[in-house]
Amino acid sequence: GAVVSQHPSWVICKSGTSVKIECRSLDFQATTMFWYRQFPKQSLMLMATSNEGSKATYEQGVEKDKFLINHASLTLSTLTVTSAHPEDSSFYICSARELGDWQFFGPGTRLTVL
Amino acid sequence: GEDVEQSLFLSVREGDSSVINCTYTDSSSTYLYWYKQEPGAGLQLLTYIFSNMDMKQDQRLTVLLNKKDKHLSLRIADTQTGDSAIYFCAETNTGNQFYFGTGTSLTVIP
Repeated sequence: GAVVSQHPSWVICKSGTSVKIECRSLDFQATTMFWYRQFPKQSLMLMATSNEGSKATYEQGVEKDKFLINHASLTLSTLTVTSAHPEDSSFYICSARELGDWQFFGPGTRLTVL
Repeated sequence: GEDVEQSLFLSVREGDSSVINCTYTDSSSTYLYWYKQEPGAGLQLLTYIFSNMDMKQDQRLTVLLNKKDKHLSLRIADTQTGDSAIYFCAETNTGNQFYFGTGTSLTVIP
């Protein structure tokens, strides 16, 4: 199947700093990428959907100024958590979808904000 | 959004069959999926079923779909300790937005 990678796989940062997470589709072109967040022992929550070259569409309740999403190319999307706080600590998972194909998930990035 | 519900926990003995259940509300679902998540890892697509199918079998996995009752189940035959994980069902009607269940934590007792 198609491969989606995320970098870094885990990150620890201080409160108030910004963290960038990359999501790459390694062997296919992803017209759409999704960002999910998972709290411990809970399901994934869709944060935003981004189409290459367009602004991301955020789900209700997700602060677009805090979670900046960029999908500048067909193989890369980035999520930047700005001015991170401890409550932003979570597991962030991206997925990528090629037009008409399945959605493939990345391995996730664990963010810990101290 | 649409509601997708699962029971939270399931324990089975090694070698027995596991059945994980899922109910959903979206009557226009076209694809329904089962994902497996091991600790600290991302989701792994296990299997899927189209909404016009009743059953799909893939090695030890059997998916049953009751579209009338909006009920999906995943049966794992001969459950092994390596099957211990959280299992998510998900549905979509467009392929763009997925709705996930809360996940069922499967514990396999040796």
